[in-house]
Amino acid sequence: DAKTTQPNSMESNEEEPVHLPCNHSTISGTDYIHWYRQLPSQGPEYVIHGLTSNVNNRMASLAIAEDRKSSTLILHRATLRDAAVYYCILIRYNDMRFGAGTRLTVKP
Amino acid sequence: DAMVIQNPRYQVTQFGKPVTLSCSQTLNHNVMYWYQQKSSQAPKLLFHYYDKDFNNEADTPDNFQSRRPNTSFCFLDIRSPGLGDAAMYLCATSGLRTSSDEQFFGPGTRLTVL
Repeated sequence: DAKTTQPNSMESNEEEPVHLPCNHSTISGTDYIHWYRQLPSQGPEYVIHGLTSNVNNRMASLAIAEDRKSSTLILHRATLRDAAVYYCILIRYNDMRFGAGTRLTVKP
Repeated sequence: DAMVIQNPRYQVTQFGKPVTLSCSQTLNHNVMYWYQQKSSQAPKLLFHYYDKDFNNEADTPDNFQSRRPNTSFCFLDIRSPGLGDAAMYLCATSGLRTSSDEQFFGPGTRLTVL
């Protein structure tokens, strides 16, 4: 399975943009890039996904490198409620294997 | 609201005493998953059902079994819980088994083994 590499932790200030990086150098052509987040004491929550093109939704934006070997999740204005562990996951045939994720801390 | 429900939210069992965790969904999704999440670790897929077709992960211990009597319900049975099975157990669903499909997670059941 293709693996992802993320920083263990990141900090952000409230109301500022956050860029969460993910490296996936062994990605295959059929792997989708998904991002989920897990708030404390909750199940994971879908954030966004993409294949080749950049994607935007109400929660975030996903920027995918042209060679697809990396991607960046962008939270445009971090709030305290965005403090969570963010998982970047490559999915093939809907089998989801989580990596360690990035713990995002948002400071007021 | 359509959702994934897990009961109970907290379950305590004794070492070696069988326990069943339940998951129900109102999304009418074809696929249901069970994940195990130990403290400070990422969720790990145990198995999933695509409709009635059961798919076990290669490294899931035989101690873990699952049943899906109908579309809405799925159960996780732990035949002889050990101390190492204490974890959060997460149920998830998806409409299809494709790479682009979103998974919807329940809140989890936290299992304590005494």
